[in-house]
Amino acid sequence: AQSVTQPDIHITVSEGASLELRCNYSYGATPYLFWYVQSPGQGLQLLLKYFSGDTLVQGIKGFEAEFKRSQSSFNLRKPSVHWSDAAEYFCAVAPPSGNTPLVFGKGTRLSVIA
Amino acid sequence: EAGVAQSPRYKIIEKRQSVAFWCNPISGHATLYWYQQILGQGPKLLIQFQNNGVVDDSQLPKDRFSAERLKGVDSTLKIQPAKLEDSAVYLCASSRDNYEQYFGPGTRLTVT
Repeated sequence: AQSVTQPDIHITVSEGASLELRCNYSYGATPYLFWYVQSPGQGLQLLLKYFSGDTLVQGIKGFEAEFKRSQSSFNLRKPSVHWSDAAEYFCAVAPPSGNTPLVFGKGTRLSVIA
Repeated sequence: EAGVAQSPRYKIIEKRQSVAFWCNPISGHATLYWYQQILGQGPKLLIQFQNNGVVDDSQLPKDRFSAERLKGVDSTLKIQPAKLEDSAVYLCASSRDNYEQYFGPGTRLTVT
């Protein structure tokens, strides 16, 4: 069965500092990988996705993520965090066959301090 | 294009009462999902529709939850009777090509 682990429940960073959120997955083959962001009271917004090809993917709002097959990881990064980035971040996977639901991690809550 | 619409946004009911949520997906999206997000956890699939047929309802508590998608467009999710543990955010998502899902704002249900 697929599973996603986000080891950090809560991270606090200073505005302007760099950010890395960790995501590890368990799946027999390379799944499709996603990062979503959820602001308070809002639905989930897709930040970026990886299907195949270049292992470094660029997303919206200045985010990027790197797929590392050997580590079964798909970590999210941002070089300089803004206060508006404070939110909940979810990593998700889906089988590479389409037409299947996402399996989400438990999320990492990001707080940004001045 | 308009996003996924959900209503109501908030609902408070007492246990053993019934409640219904509505979702209008993005036009042209054949696949519709309902997820349950309990506080502090990631969303978990309840049911998946392809057009008006059910693809996966293996995690839907069928003794109290039901869902339908009439004419392959709008969908309703019902809980009857509600339990305290049903307090959660119910998210609807839709997809055209099954690789990217678009989420609505969710309905926050509180069962007292």
